[in-house]
Amino acid sequence: AQSVTQLDSQVPVFEEAPVELRCNYSSSVSVYLFWYVQYPNQGLQLLLKYLSGSTLVESINGFEAEFNKSQTSFHLRKPSVHISDTAEYFCAVSDLTSGGSNYKLTFGKGTLLTVNP
Amino acid sequence: EAGVTQSPTHLIKTRGQQVTLRCSPISGHTSVYWYQQALGLGLQFLLWYDEGEERNRGNFPPRFSGRQFPNYSSELNVNALELEDSALYLCASSLNNVGYTFGSGTRLTVV
Repeated sequence: AQSVTQLDSQVPVFEEAPVELRCNYSSSVSVYLFWYVQYPNQGLQLLLKYLSGSTLVESINGFEAEFNKSQTSFHLRKPSVHISDTAEYFCAVSDLTSGGSNYKLTFGKGTLLTVNP
Repeated sequence: EAGVTQSPTHLIKTRGQQVTLRCSPISGHTSVYWYQQALGLGLQFLLWYDEGEERNRGNFPPRFSGRQFPNYSSELNVNALELEDSALYLCASSLNNVGYTFGSGTRLTVV
């Protein structure tokens, strides 16, 4: 069975500071990895994903995440955050087991990023 | 392209009642997933439908059920509502398991 651990439930930072949201996963097979963002009173939006290839993936709004297979991590980073980045961020994993029984995303419990002026 | 649409957006029900939530996936997506996001519990997987069949089910009691129609839209039914069923119910669709697109959710309050 797969699982996702987001090590920080809340991360407060000041505007323009760098931030790292940590995510570790556990799976016995190869995985796809995702970061989703949830703004207040909204659904989840896909921020970025790792499927294969380059281990560094980037989003259009300046976030990036690096897949580290040896450390089973997929930490999310941004060099300079804005007030508008305040949201809850969810890391998720989907394993590549054939047969379909595991074709579902398993989510971490989320990290609330609060950017203060 | 229209995204995943869910209805209603908000709902208030009394304990013991039954509720039906609806979801329309992105055109061409055959898989629909339902998640419950209750306060403090994160996102819990409820159900996965693909090509009209239930493919997987999370750790929820049988009073949570659903179905998928030939047009790939889906319903989630919850019978005998309990206070702890109060949550945001999220539907997502996917074509080939390389990431979901979520709807905005239905906020269910049980009083």
